[in-house]
Amino acid sequence: DSGVTQTPKHLITATGQRVTLRCSPRSGDLSVYWYQQSLDQGLQFLIQYYNGEERAKGNILERFSAQQFPDLHSELNLSSLELGDSALYFCASSVAGPPDRLLWSANVLTFGAGSRLTVL
Amino acid sequence: AQKVTQAQTEISVVEKEDVTLDCVYETRDTTYYLFWYKQPPSGELVFLIRRNSFDEQNEISGRYSWNFQKSTSSFNFTITASQVVDSAVYFCALSVLNSGGYQKVTFGTGTKLQVIP
Repeated sequence: DSGVTQTPKHLITATGQRVTLRCSPRSGDLSVYWYQQSLDQGLQFLIQYYNGEERAKGNILERFSAQQFPDLHSELNLSSLELGDSALYFCASSVAGPPDRLLWSANVLTFGAGSRLTVL
Repeated sequence: AQKVTQAQTEISVVEKEDVTLDCVYETRDTTYYLFWYKQPPSGELVFLIRRNSFDEQNEISGRYSWNFQKSTSSFNFTITASQVVDSAVYFCALSVLNSGGYQKVTFGTGTKLQVIP
């Protein structure tokens, strides 16, 4: 168990629907990242939060949104779902980092087990 | 911009063979970190190793070894005497600080390794 909890593990829904994926980071981690893994597409970075604030955005569609709450859990909202949104969605967390922020790029990402979304 | 290339999409080896997974990266940052993660069939990504841009010493951990060459921007991963349990997708990743001073991690597309008994 990595300490990063993602729910639900599996989700099947129809096109046009909206779903919410939830992530609880490892205890003590302030940063949360969301990644999308489609078949043959590797890991695509979606968005990053640090202590409740959005800090970086990747190729996240406008139909997708996320937030990190005061208790540090995060939710990824996917709306107007399309067939192509079917994928494995990973959440990862990392520690706040050592006191020297220049070393923050050294942080190891700890991944959850993922949420597999199937859009029919 | 950062880029990580894992040109080998899939590799199949027979058990006990050695196998090398290639990783080539691009960045203009002088300070960066490189990682390898393993994604077994169960799906969860597991951290294997981290290397910083100033440390080109090769590292060995049991049957695993890593060769970091800054001159060729490569960070290759070798499994010696492969075992069936090594079957997984392996991701190489590059970590830098973004313009806001926060960590930005770029993953390669992964190499699927199949070890045949």
